[in-house]
Amino acid sequence: RKEVEQDPGPFNVPEGATVAFNCTYSNSASQSFFWYRQDCRKEPKLLMSVYSSGNEDGRFTAQLNRASQYISLLIRDSKLSDSATYLCVVNPGYRGSTLGRLYFGRGTQLTVWP
Amino acid sequence: NAGVTQTPKFQVLKTGQSMTLQCAQDMNHNSMYWYRQDPGMGLRLIYYSASEGTTDKGEVPNGYNVSRLNKREFSLRLESAAPSQTSVYFCASSGWPDRGTEAFFGQGTRLTVV
Repeated sequence: RKEVEQDPGPFNVPEGATVAFNCTYSNSASQSFFWYRQDCRKEPKLLMSVYSSGNEDGRFTAQLNRASQYISLLIRDSKLSDSATYLCVVNPGYRGSTLGRLYFGRGTQLTVWP
Repeated sequence: NAGVTQTPKFQVLKTGQSMTLQCAQDMNHNSMYWYRQDPGMGLRLIYYSASEGTTDKGEVPNGYNVSRLNKREFSLRLESAAPSQTSVYFCASSGWPDRGTEAFFGQGTRLTVV
């Protein structure tokens, strides 16, 4: 079983729509969680960290559900510029050689159309 | 604000040739990573270095070697390139364990092996 699983999409939504992505992780002891954004042929860039209490950054809201081992990202009022691939990222926090590693989901592709 | 710098950006190799991908970061990070990204596969960890002088294998280490030359630099070497190593390679660094585990990426190296 992969460390991180994501629905690959694609999601095609009109401008102004609300869209949500989910991601599940396999290790219940995982420590840190992130959402990254990757534009076509570019490097991944940190969008936001995900905290247990949930956090919001403008139109973006991230939630963590430890009991069910999933992470979500909600984008409100979608813009054309939100079109990208969104990557769910988990740090398992094992002891030993895997400590500090980051595991990436395969990404969810979003296209926002006018 | 260079962040993570990778060279070269593009490379074409013939099967059996060798090459070294260079990576340097100026954020005083302890941890550095090499990933490869293939269509439909997401980012897969090749090697990881938690500190100067230490390296660990990731998910797909076969056919690669790495060197953590100093705190700033982490190189990836292909000793005998194969077509299966055609991919986009990303170097990343993070502040773990002193700071957060979020990673910052270089712009990538697009490698084609013919």
